[in-house]
Amino acid sequence: DAMVIQNPRYQVTQFGKPVTLSCSQTLNHNVMYWYQQKSSQAPKLLFHYYDKDFNNEADTPDNFQSRRPNTSFCFLDIRSPGLGDAAMYLCATSSQGSQYFGPGTRLLVL
Amino acid sequence: QKEVEQDPGPLSVPEGAIVSLNCTYSNSAFQYFMWYRQYSRKGPELLMYTYSSGNKEDGRFTAQVDKSSKYISLFIRDSQPSDSATYLCAMSAFQGGSEKLVFGKGTKLTVNP
Repeated sequence: DAMVIQNPRYQVTQFGKPVTLSCSQTLNHNVMYWYQQKSSQAPKLLFHYYDKDFNNEADTPDNFQSRRPNTSFCFLDIRSPGLGDAAMYLCATSSQGSQYFGPGTRLLVL
Repeated sequence: QKEVEQDPGPLSVPEGAIVSLNCTYSNSAFQYFMWYRQYSRKGPELLMYTYSSGNKEDGRFTAQVDKSSKYISLFIRDSQPSDSATYLCAMSAFQGGSEKLVFGKGTKLTVNP
């Protein structure tokens, strides 16, 4: 089935140790998004790509970077995770106004 | 005023009840209106998607959009315990060739057997 896949589903890292989260999609959508979602809060947009055009939100911390090597894949790099970065990270793609989310990667920072 | 307002609940109803979830918004540029269901520790799942005022029905779910009042609703008929989840409204407008979604905070719904 066409879908948005995120790996890993759970990631544990140490304070300050870089971590990379990955997302792939088989929907062939031009637009991909990374969101951060903390407990009982709405998803917060970090970045989005329209094709290879990269857009980051004004309040996305410099600690977060993203790469999209091709249409199907997108990566979220957290250079020096802090305790406050523990959250669910959601990847999404969009077509004609609606967004489709992956299952998310839950990040724990020890 | 926030762009999208949604009552966070929590909302608790007995099985079989009709559930009404609502959001208001302030940005008249929003063109697309969505409802997502999110189970605990899972990604949001697209439930309903509309782009015009009026009603859209899918099984037990009805999405309603009133652009003149800037108000959207999701109705769940014959609610089931499996409907227990957080429901997020979301809306978007095209900006520079891509859609940016603005979410409500989500309403946590519990349907009791």
